Parts: sequence; structure tokens; C-alpha cells
Amino acid sequence: QKEVEQDPGPLSVPEGAIVSLNCTYSNSAFQYFMWYRQYSRKGPELLMYTYSSGNKEDGRFTAQVDKSSKYISLFIRDSQPSDSATYLCAMGRGATNKLIFGTGTLLAVQP
Amino acid sequence: DVKVTQSSRYLVKRTGEKVFLECVQDMDHENMFWYRQDPGLGLRLIYFSYDVKMKEKGDIPEGYSVSREKKERFSLILESASTNQTSMYLCASSLTGAGTEAFFGQGTRLTVV
Repeated sequence: QKEVEQDPGPLSVPEGAIVSLNCTYSNSAFQYFMWYRQYSRKGPELLMYTYSSGNKEDGRFTAQVDKSSKYISLFIRDSQPSDSATYLCAMGRGATNKLIFGTGTLLAVQP
Repeated sequence: DVKVTQSSRYLVKRTGEKVFLECVQDMDHENMFWYRQDPGLGLRLIYFSYDVKMKEKGDIPEGYSVSREKKERFSLILESASTNQTSMYLCASSLTGAGTEAFFGQGTRLTVV
């Protein structure tokens, strides 16, 4: 079993839709949880970061962590064509900052 | 503007060649990482370094080595390239500390023929 599971998609939605992206994990030692966004032919960029269970909001993006269920989510409200990218969840523990990544979900927002 | 620069965007090498992938960061970060990214497998950590001349194996170090002689530069070496090392290679750097942001380079698409 992989430490981090993520549905690879692809996921296609119309502009303005609410998007839900999810990851599950098996290692209860993970302490921090991140979402990276990767546009085609680019390196990943940090989108959201959370340290504990609960919600964190930044503009149209909300990250949710449920440690009891080992489940994290990223919600995108009012999705735009510019949100079309691969979204990678990542998680880690300790100070070395070694991250374990999900496989990534390819999202396409249709105008 | 923070920057992680990888020396090549695209490389084609022959089986058995020794291959060097170079990465430079200008943020004075202690940590540097090499990942490979493959469809369906996501990003997998090959090696990371938390200080000059210090290195640790990641999840898939076989067939690779690394060198970090200066803080800003981290090199990935394929000792004898094989076709199963055809992949996208991504370098990243971060400050020391739990959950600090990792900044990625643009990636090197390596094809071994």
C-alpha cells in the first residue's frame, strides 16, 4: 500500500464549478500537509499548507485536513480555466522536510 | 524572485553513459532535493542533502549518486544510464524546519536511448 493515495483523474469541470480534490494517507506520523500546483512543463509550486486538522482558506482555495480519517482535501470555488493544472498533495514530518507526494490529479476547467 | 535553476530542460543520452544533472539555488537554502516524476507514480525522492557535503538516500537511490560541494549547488549523477531512468527530474530546495516550502526547478526531461 502506498503511503499517500491520490486519484490521478483526469477531472474535467465547467468554468465556475466547485472542485474537490482528495488524498488519503496511511502514516499517522505525518504532521504537515501541503498542496502543490503544477502547470504543464513547469515545476510544482506551493498552493496551500496546513499543520493540523481543520480548515484553511485562501481566496478561492480551501484546504481541509482530517487526521482521524487520514484524509485531506482541496476545494476550489468558482474554478477558472487558469486553474487547469496537476494538483499534488504532499505530506511530511520532522524538520528534514522530506515530503511524500501523491501521484497528482490532472484538472481541466473548460471555459 | 526565488530561483532554482536546472542546467538543462531536455537531455538525450545513450545507455551506459555517465550523466550529470546540475541544480543551483540562489536562496541560501540548507536543504536540497532530487525527485523523479513518472506518470502514475508521482514524485519520488531520490536523494536529499541538508548541508554541504551531507546527503541522505531517499526512496529510490539505486543507480544514482549526488554531490554537494557548495551550498547553492546540488548535482545528480547517473553512473551508467539505463532506459528505465528515462524520466522527468526535478530539483527542489527549502529552508531547514518542519513544513517549510520547497521551491522547485523547471525540471529536466531525460531520455535514455
